[in-house]
Amino acid sequence: DAGITQSPRHKVTETGTPVTLRCHQTENHRYMYWYRQDPGHGLRLIHYSYGVKDTDKGEVSDGYSVSRSKTEDFLLTLESATSSQTSVYFCAISEGRGVPETQYFGPGTRLLVL
Amino acid sequence: QKEVEQDPGPLSVPEGAIVSLNCTYSNSAFQYFMWYRQYSRKGPELLMYTYSSGNKEDGRFTAQVDKSSKYISLFIRDSQPSDSATYLCAMNTGGFKTIFGAGTRLFVKA
Repeated sequence: DAGITQSPRHKVTETGTPVTLRCHQTENHRYMYWYRQDPGHGLRLIHYSYGVKDTDKGEVSDGYSVSRSKTEDFLLTLESATSSQTSVYFCAISEGRGVPETQYFGPGTRLLVL
Repeated sequence: QKEVEQDPGPLSVPEGAIVSLNCTYSNSAFQYFMWYRQYSRKGPELLMYTYSSGNKEDGRFTAQVDKSSKYISLFIRDSQPSDSATYLCAMNTGGFKTIFGAGTRLFVKA
């Protein structure tokens, strides 16, 4: 998975609790992304980062925040988890030089919100 | 209407069959068209990409783009059980934002 790890790989949590997912890369790529994957919807972009401390919203950003304090780490926080956020979350990276940007994906985190 | 439409399947074929996977799109600004393969409980991996219209071949895989019809296809020749996976089409206008289809689940029976 191109030097990308995600933690935790599985998590069960309760509605209303905060949850943080971590993405770590060893490729020194500039761009990092968080997607969620749900049946019938495919991959939808939550947030992305184009550099340390530089982040922006994707199409489904409500209820999520991100932070990137180091090139290698991109954190996704569910501020107050809801059942609608039960999903598989994928982190992806890309170099920031290519056209198009080839994205490399991590192994995913399965999140269940009860 | 979604920007990218893809039939979720599942599509089940016998080993050795030719498989055709398709996507339609609505945004005429898309210039780069990609196919990702995703095995069960894994992240997607880039299979191949094409720029603009035309065909691109890589081994048993051929990607085809028809911009006039806003239609892209992935053909798999001599399909193998190891090709069983979900195939996602993806499109890009030339920047770093990529729009993915919902994915088609393919089963190749031995």
